[in-house]
Amino acid sequence: DTGVSQNPRHKITKRGQNVTFRCDPISEHNRLYWYRQTLGQGPEFLTYFQNEAQLEKSRLLSDRFSAERPKGSFSTLEIQRTEQGDSAMYLCASSSLAGYTGELFFGEGSRLTVL
Amino acid sequence: KQEVTQIPAALSVPEGENLVLNCSFTDSAIYNLQWFRQDPGKGLTSLLLIQSSQREQTSGRLNASLDKSSGRSTLYIAASQPGDSATYLCALTWEETSGSRLTFGEGTQLTVNP
Repeated sequence: DTGVSQNPRHKITKRGQNVTFRCDPISEHNRLYWYRQTLGQGPEFLTYFQNEAQLEKSRLLSDRFSAERPKGSFSTLEIQRTEQGDSAMYLCASSSLAGYTGELFFGEGSRLTVL
Repeated sequence: KQEVTQIPAALSVPEGENLVLNCSFTDSAIYNLQWFRQDPGKGLTSLLLIQSSQREQTSGRLNASLDKSSGRSTLYIAASQPGDSATYLCALTWEETSGSRLTFGEGTQLTVNP
């Protein structure tokens, strides 16, 4: 068990560019979540997957955002035509449905800076 | 609307002091409650998980309690150390979403001075 892994850890981009973040959950964890955290605030829910199915999306997930989990393992979060307001820490978490307690395990996050 | 509030926003204490962090929530139909620690620029580390049917959980110098009727949880840290300095976040899931999403408070930034 190597924990939740996120890449890249930090991404600096110019406004209008596309960026993609990757999350590798804890092995055999069925659920995978994406959260966004801005400075001084608690994380906010974006979306979650159960296996490969995207079961819920927040209103925060505008049309410029898309998340996938094609084989029920790793997930990607793509942001198209980035805006300065997208600057934030993007956190991934996973949980297991086996003996489900609802406990989430987070990665180190991917920090996005849009210039 | 289901909201989570943490008070105080920041706390500074001398080393060795026992302290309590507070978390309040507006809907008592919770699924579970988690306390997390976050160091600057880092991800979240899970500290304690309390299920809806439980009243408290303990891990080392940490003790978390849950009172659904009053909509409150507390995180008690005994004999604080400078290494405890971090932001502590309270997060809840609710029954209506079967624990599928966490709602976070804004956190309490703790500084323990040597």
